[in-house]
Parts: sequence; structure tokens; C-alpha cells
Amino acid sequence: DGGITQSPKYLFRKEGQNVTLSCEQNLNHDAMYWYRQDPGQGLRLIYYSQIVNDFQKGDIAEGYSVSREKKESFPLTVTSAQKNPTAFYLCASSITLAEAFFGQGTRLTVV
Amino acid sequence: AQKVTQAQTEISVVEKEDVTLDCVYETRDTTYYLFWYKQPPSGELVFLIRRNSFDEQNEISGRYSWNFQKSTSSFNFTITASQVVDSAVYFCALSESSGGSNYKLTFGKGTLLTVNP
Repeated sequence: DGGITQSPKYLFRKEGQNVTLSCEQNLNHDAMYWYRQDPGQGLRLIYYSQIVNDFQKGDIAEGYSVSREKKESFPLTVTSAQKNPTAFYLCASSITLAEAFFGQGTRLTVV
Repeated sequence: AQKVTQAQTEISVVEKEDVTLDCVYETRDTTYYLFWYKQPPSGELVFLIRRNSFDEQNEISGRYSWNFQKSTSSFNFTITASQVVDSAVYFCALSESSGGSNYKLTFGKGTLLTVNP
């Protein structure tokens, strides 16, 4: 089935650890996005990528890193520099300027 | 400055009432796209509509309708005869150029709609 797969669905991280959230799509979309969702804050853009080996910082990129080595994959690393990483993370992909399709999200909790 | 403003944080209506969700956007581009998404309690975002900046025709899809007005930079969403299943968070979003061939997709903070029986 075509779509976007985010894994894991739930992730627990100890303070000071880096963790990587997976996002894979088989829709042949060029653009991919990572958003963070906190209660009352809507979706805030972390990073986005239009093509392989290129990506741009969004509005809240500090403490995060990404890579885009393959068209299908856009993993997000939450580093220890991110002071408040507990949130719901959503990955999306789209054909440029078309509607974005979203994964089911990863809920990250710092313990 | 916020690119997409959804001033209504929460709206509560009784079933069968009509309800309008407001969206105001800000962009310097002449070519851009606007979207509405629905996020039910399950968390996954569901695409509802896309509108490009050159098409100001209003659109109706069943009980849903959208009013796009460039003069006021607004893209409002109306649900007619609301139903309990319409309860969700609704997001308005803007896609605009961020330089070169890059396009940035920015969301508003969302409006939580609760439809009571």
C-alpha cells in the first residue's frame, strides 16, 4: 500500500540522549516535511526537503537534525541540545505545491 | 509574524448548527496555495481542500464549503448542518516559495471544533 510510515509510534528517551525518528514514503514524492505538535501550538515546521541531499531549516530547527540521502526517507534526529523534546512529531510528503500526506505520528516522551 | 492565523482556538456548537472556521494568511508571493486539514482524535491529518492563489472561486463539497478572498487574505471554511463526527481540530495551511525551488508549508495553530449532540 502507498503511504507514509513513521516509526516508532511511541518513543521514550532519557535526558541527554539522541534519538532518531523514522519516516519513509513510497509515494514518489519529492518534498518531505517534519512538524512538531504541542497542545495549543498547532504544527510547527522543523525541517523540510524538496530534493535528495538538500534540506532547509523550518521555524524551530534548533536541537534537531535531518538527512535526505534517499528520496523515500527523511529521518529526524532529536539531539540532546533540544531542551524540551516531549511532543508529537508528524512527518509529511507531497508533490511540490500539492497537498501533503501525513504519517500517523511519533509521540516522544523524555523520561 | 504569523503566516497563518486561526483566531478561533475553540468552537463549540450543537448538532445541525452551521459553523465557520476563520483563516487569515500572510504572504508576499503572488503564487501560493492554501489548504485545510482535519485532525480527528486519532491524530492523523486528513486533507480536505487545496486552493491556488489564482482561483478565487468558492467551492462546495457536500456539507463543506470554502470562501477564498484575496482582498482580505482569508480562506474560511464553513460546515453546514454540523454533525458529531465533525468534531476535530481543523488546520489551515499555506504553501509559498522560500527561495529557489523550495516551498515551505506552514500551518496555523488550529481550531478545535466540538459538535455536541
